[in-house]
Amino acid sequence: QKEVEQNSGPLSVPEGAIASLNCTYSDRGSQSFFWYRQYSGKSPELIMSIYSNGDKEDGRFTAQLNKASQYVSLLIRDSQPSDSATYLCAVKRAGSYQLTFGKGTKLSVIP
Amino acid sequence: GAVVSQHPSRVICKSGTSVKIECRSLDFQATTMFWYRQFPKQSLMLMATSNEGSKATYEQGVEKDKFLINHASLTLSTLTVTSAHPEDSSFYICSARVELGYEQYFGPGTRLTVT
Repeated sequence: QKEVEQNSGPLSVPEGAIASLNCTYSDRGSQSFFWYRQYSGKSPELIMSIYSNGDKEDGRFTAQLNKASQYVSLLIRDSQPSDSATYLCAVKRAGSYQLTFGKGTKLSVIP
Repeated sequence: GAVVSQHPSRVICKSGTSVKIECRSLDFQATTMFWYRQFPKQSLMLMATSNEGSKATYEQGVEKDKFLINHASLTLSTLTVTSAHPEDSSFYICSARVELGYEQYFGPGTRLTVT
C-alpha cells in the first residue's frame, strides 16, 4: 500500500508567522507532488505542484521537495486567518494519473 | 482557468432511489476525470478513474454496479448512485486532469443525503 503521511494537527500559528506543513511518502518512484487547501465543507483547491528537488515559490507559499528523503513540505509566510484550513498533500502514483492523498493537516492561524 | 463545475451541489433522496451527479470541465478538455468520496473528518477516497470514451476503472472495494460512471465527452462525466442507501450518504467530489499535465482540479462537490 502506497502511503502519504501527514501530521493531522491541529497546527496553530499566530498571524504573521510562518506555517510549516510536512508530508512523507513511501513510493520512491513518485515523481509529482501537490498541495491542496480544503476549507471545512468545501472541496480541495490546488495551491502548488512540485516535480523537482528543491524549492518552488508562489507568492506567500513555498513548496520544498527532497526525493532522497521522500519528503515534501509547504511553507506559508505571513500567515493570515484566512489560511486556516486543512492542507492535503498528494502524490501522483507512478505509472498512472491517480493521486494518493494524505489525511491532511489542519492549520489554525490565530489573529 | 481550470474550472470544474458539479451539479447538483446538494441532494436528498429516499433509500432505494438513484441519483445522478454531473461533473463538467468548463474551460478545458479533460481526458481523465476522477470521482472521490469524503466522509466527515476523513480524507479523500478515490472511487474511480474515468477516461473519455472508455469504461471507468474502479478502486478496490468500490461496487461498479452501484456507482455507474459515464464519461461521454471531453468535458462531462457523470456518476450515478443506484439504489442508494443511508450508508451512501457522503460528500462526492469530482476532479479533472488538465491535458499535458498531472494537476487535478476539483469540482465544488455534491453532498448526498439518503433518508
